[in-house]
Amino acid sequence: AQTVTQSQPEMSVQEAETVTLSCTYDTSESDYYLFWYKQPPSRQMILVIRQEAYKQQNATENRFSVNFQKAAKSFSLKISDSQLGDAAMYFCASKEGKIIFGKGTRLHILP
Amino acid sequence: NAGVMQNPRHLVRRRGQEARLRCSPMKGHSHVYWYRQLPEEGLKFMVYLQKENIIDESGMPKERFSAEFPKEGPSILRIQQVVRGDSAAYFCASSPWTENTEAFFGQGTRLTVV
Repeated sequence: AQTVTQSQPEMSVQEAETVTLSCTYDTSESDYYLFWYKQPPSRQMILVIRQEAYKQQNATENRFSVNFQKAAKSFSLKISDSQLGDAAMYFCASKEGKIIFGKGTRLHILP
Repeated sequence: NAGVMQNPRHLVRRRGQEARLRCSPMKGHSHVYWYRQLPEEGLKFMVYLQKENIIDESGMPKERFSAEFPKEGPSILRIQQVVRGDSAAYFCASSPWTENTEAFFGQGTRLTVV
């Protein structure tokens, strides 16, 4: 079964510090994609970063990077130099045809 | 290239009425996904469509809900005889013909049943 689990309902980080959001998933496929989406108060879903399962190298997008552990089915998101605008809900997702989302982690940035 | 367009943004329906939610995917995108989001919760998968074809409807309630993506025109999520529990934000996303790429989301339709 295709499942995504985010075990941290809420996280807080001091501005300019680094925070890591956890995600584990389950899949029976060998070819799939993983994503982190951000949902600010506007509710617009914004893609933060993507990872192809066949690539061993961890994806990086500016201050955002992932730690992809395929054998452990783990896909954590690291946000460096946290900014106030990073405050949002963050959803981990897996795609093998349909896209399944985790329940989300609400990230607070402390000034 | 306009993004994914959903309309209306807000929809109010009385119990028992029908709700029609529209989604125009990005140009060139042939895959559409519908999700429901309750307050303070994640996005729950409902249905995955290609043009004129339902690929996966495992998340759709068995009754009152239906979805289509015709050859021409937007994708439609239809909810018949709405009840208060249908009140939620409904999001549509689209992706290109290549399946394993990211999906681009619309801004959602907030349905309120009174």
